Amino acid sequence: DTAVSQTPKYLVTQMGNDKSIKCEQNLGHDTMYWYKQDSKKFLKIMFSYNNKELIINETVPNRFSPKSPDKAHLNLHINSLELGDSAVYFCASSLRDDYGYTFGSGTRLTVV
Amino acid sequence: LAKTTQPISMDSYEGQEVNITCSHNNIATNDYITWYQQFPSQGPRFIIQGYKTKVTNEVASLFIPADRKSSTLSLPRVSLSDTAVYYCLVGDRDYGQNFVFGPGTRLSVLP
Repeated sequence: DTAVSQTPKYLVTQMGNDKSIKCEQNLGHDTMYWYKQDSKKFLKIMFSYNNKELIINETVPNRFSPKSPDKAHLNLHINSLELGDSAVYFCASSLRDDYGYTFGSGTRLTVV
Repeated sequence: LAKTTQPISMDSYEGQEVNITCSHNNIATNDYITWYQQFPSQGPRFIIQGYKTKVTNEVASLFIPADRKSSTLSLPRVSLSDTAVYYCLVGDRDYGQNFVFGPGTRLSVLP
């Protein structure tokens, strides 16, 4: 069973569109995250979320919004996609007091 | 957040021991040191975590000197499949202090 699963694995879309990436974890973790890995391979935190608090990296445009229907899911919605949004997006999860993040396999987003 | 500095790349041969050192001069009292491994087209994978002295698991060892301003990830007898990017991260147990991944160290294991 996949611990942290993301869908879709690949996403190609046009500028201006709105898209969502889904993430689910079956580890019973209480905190989930979204990271963006750009073409230079830097991994940057976008959001972290548990059932109490959403922490947003201040550099993330407000076109990006996380949505958590329950503790096991954290979806990423992106409005008005731009070319610069092209990257690999990773979902991750952890327990509140544990550093052992478990990452999904990533979603490669290409905006054309 | 404590900033980390690692070599950009390293080469090694199969069967050798590889040591990757990470500097974190402004590490805070509550910070732990964690290492991740990332293969191409995959998410990072947790390798090992420590606070001080030495930690060992089935994959690697982590050496942390008394001043905690650096740490060394040791991979015994590497194989070709250990070719990956290795990230050193420093952070505390408050989930609000999220990890920041630097560029990591690209390890190439040669036959």
